[in-house]
Amino acid sequence: SQQGEEDPQALSIQEGENATMNCSYKTSINNLQWYRQNSGRGLVHLILIRSNEREKHSGRLRVTLDTSKKSSSLLITASRAADTASYFCALISSGSARQLTFGSGTQLTVLP
Amino acid sequence: DGGITQSPKYLFRKEGQNVTLSCEQNLNHDAMYWYRQDPGQGLRLIYYSQIVNDFQKGDIAEGYSVSREKKESFPLTVTSAQKNPTAFYLCASSWGKGTGGLRKNIQYFGAGTRLSVL
Repeated sequence: SQQGEEDPQALSIQEGENATMNCSYKTSINNLQWYRQNSGRGLVHLILIRSNEREKHSGRLRVTLDTSKKSSSLLITASRAADTASYFCALISSGSARQLTFGSGTQLTVLP
Repeated sequence: DGGITQSPKYLFRKEGQNVTLSCEQNLNHDAMYWYRQDPGQGLRLIYYSQIVNDFQKGDIAEGYSVSREKKESFPLTVTSAQKNPTAFYLCASSWGKGTGGLRKNIQYFGAGTRLSVL
């Protein structure tokens, strides 16, 4: 399946710092989403960016999309200990059965 | 975890046994999904259903079965044919393909069921 690949696999930062994680993919996409998963829990949708958008904001989250490089980044500003979680990009390929395919995630640890 | 309830939270399977994981949603969503997550991995799609009484295989359907007799319910059976069932199972739902706008692309997840083999 045409899943995204997140980078880095793990990231550890101090509270108040910014966290950036990246997602690369190989196919043409309809849209790309980011989800968060707290340990042992289900996923929660964070933000969706369409293929014709370049940047999108939601609170402390900023997502960028570069379709020419087939990559997206998620920036969390002024991180908090509560942001500790795994973050996954998920994409819907153009012309597919519109199923989401998930990457393997970035484990973010925010130290107090 | 919104309006999606998965039960039980923990489940143990004996050799040769079939077990069924429950997933119920009260979001009035047409589409429902089952994913498997192994440690440190992303989600892999097992089965999905876009409408009642219809479902399709995902990427890793072998050893699993589902039914969709009601809009609210999408149970997953892990059969004895699934030789490596130990994993975290997640159910999700979304608005149907006929829904306008981007809402149909967003999935809502339950809290998961952790299945282990005795």
